[in-house]
Amino acid sequence: DAGVIQSPRHEVTEMGQEVTLRCKPISGHDYLFWYRQTMMRGLELLIYFNNNVPIDDSGMPEDRFSAKMPNASFSTLKIQPSEPRDSAVYFCASSFGRFGTGEQYFGPGTRLTVT
Amino acid sequence: GENVEQHPSTLSVQEGDSAVIKCTYSDSASNYFPWYKQELGKGPQLIIDIRSNVGEKKDQRIAVTLNKTAKHFSLHITETQPEDSAVYFCAVGDTGTASKLTFGTGTRLQVTL
Repeated sequence: DAGVIQSPRHEVTEMGQEVTLRCKPISGHDYLFWYRQTMMRGLELLIYFNNNVPIDDSGMPEDRFSAKMPNASFSTLKIQPSEPRDSAVYFCASSFGRFGTGEQYFGPGTRLTVT
Repeated sequence: GENVEQHPSTLSVQEGDSAVIKCTYSDSASNYFPWYKQELGKGPQLIIDIRSNVGEKKDQRIAVTLNKTAKHFSLHITETQPEDSAVYFCAVGDTGTASKLTFGTGTRLQVTL
């Protein structure tokens, strides 16, 4: 398996623009997580899905952020409109959680810069 | 919610020495304690984990110890090598809530020659 795939790897956009980050989890995994990493706040869980259903979105910072998982092999995280404080590295991770907390496999991340 | 504290934030050791990173947590219901290593430009990767039914687990040069009474756990790396240089994160989970982890703030480990 190629592991968790994220695209794009780097995104530079202007304030006010819409940004869409994409993730393909490992085949067979039933959990998908979106994290944000910054120097100030560390690694924050934004939202996670189980079997394509959002379970906990309490980490989503504002209504400007939204996430979808239309099928087991694809998820998106959208920011609209983007702001400079959204600049961070966004990670997607997946796991097989049937027997409880399982190892989370992280993608390489998307480095977002909002100018 | 769960609160995880991690210390130190930076750690510099000489090659061959041992390194210890400590974490404390707040929720006594937590029962899963993984450690992740993050190399520059990459996502975190699991290196070892422990569940609450054991007090210590070893895997070659790395080990994790858990004290559930005191609600703290530690990562021990022996005979450190330059390739151990990275950022290490502890995390805490509860198998009852299935897969959700709370991460510590990270420790930047530098192994010098």
